[in-house]
Amino acid sequence: AQSVTQLGSHVSVSEGALVLLRCNYSSSVPPYLFWYVQYPNQGLQLLLKYTTGATLVKGINGFEAEFKKSETSFHLTKPSAHMSDAAEYFCAVSDNFNKFYFGSGTKLNVKP
Amino acid sequence: DVKVTQSSRYLVKRTGEKVFLECVQDMDHENMFWYRQDPGLGLRLIYFSYDVKMKEKGDIPEGYSVSREKKERFSLILESASTNQTSMYLCASSLVTGLGSGANVLTFGAGSRLTVL
Repeated sequence: AQSVTQLGSHVSVSEGALVLLRCNYSSSVPPYLFWYVQYPNQGLQLLLKYTTGATLVKGINGFEAEFKKSETSFHLTKPSAHMSDAAEYFCAVSDNFNKFYFGSGTKLNVKP
Repeated sequence: DVKVTQSSRYLVKRTGEKVFLECVQDMDHENMFWYRQDPGLGLRLIYFSYDVKMKEKGDIPEGYSVSREKKERFSLILESASTNQTSMYLCASSLVTGLGSGANVLTFGAGSRLTVL
């Protein structure tokens, strides 16, 4: 079975500061990797995904993530945080059988 | 845009009641999923379905059943609700594209928050 670890259940940054949300996975096969965002009282929305090819993936709202196979990581970054980025972020991994495994989530707080 | 609609956003039920959570998607997706979301635990898969009348257990199926009589509709059933089933329930769907289908994206509904008293 695959697993996903998100370090830090809560992360707080100042507006304009770098956002770094960490995700590590364990997988016996090359994985597909995803970041989803959840705003209060809403479902999850896809931010970005890695399937094959370029290991640096750009997503919506200025977010990007880099797949590092040697580190089994897929950390999410944004150069400059905005107040509207405050939400909960979930890292997920998928195998070839349509099953998705989610991390426990990281709540991002952005301070003015 | 694909839309996944969960019929009830908020429900309050009593212990022992039978509860139905309905989910409808409008883009002809083969796969549909029910997840449970609890603080600090992320999303846990309850059941999924890859075709009409087909279902497979996820990681936490105990206390739940599902029904998929039509391709667009996937229902989650709590036969006898208990307080430990108080949670946020998320429905999702995805398209099957054959090899590498793990690259498919899940599209989520807005969630159904169930409170069992």
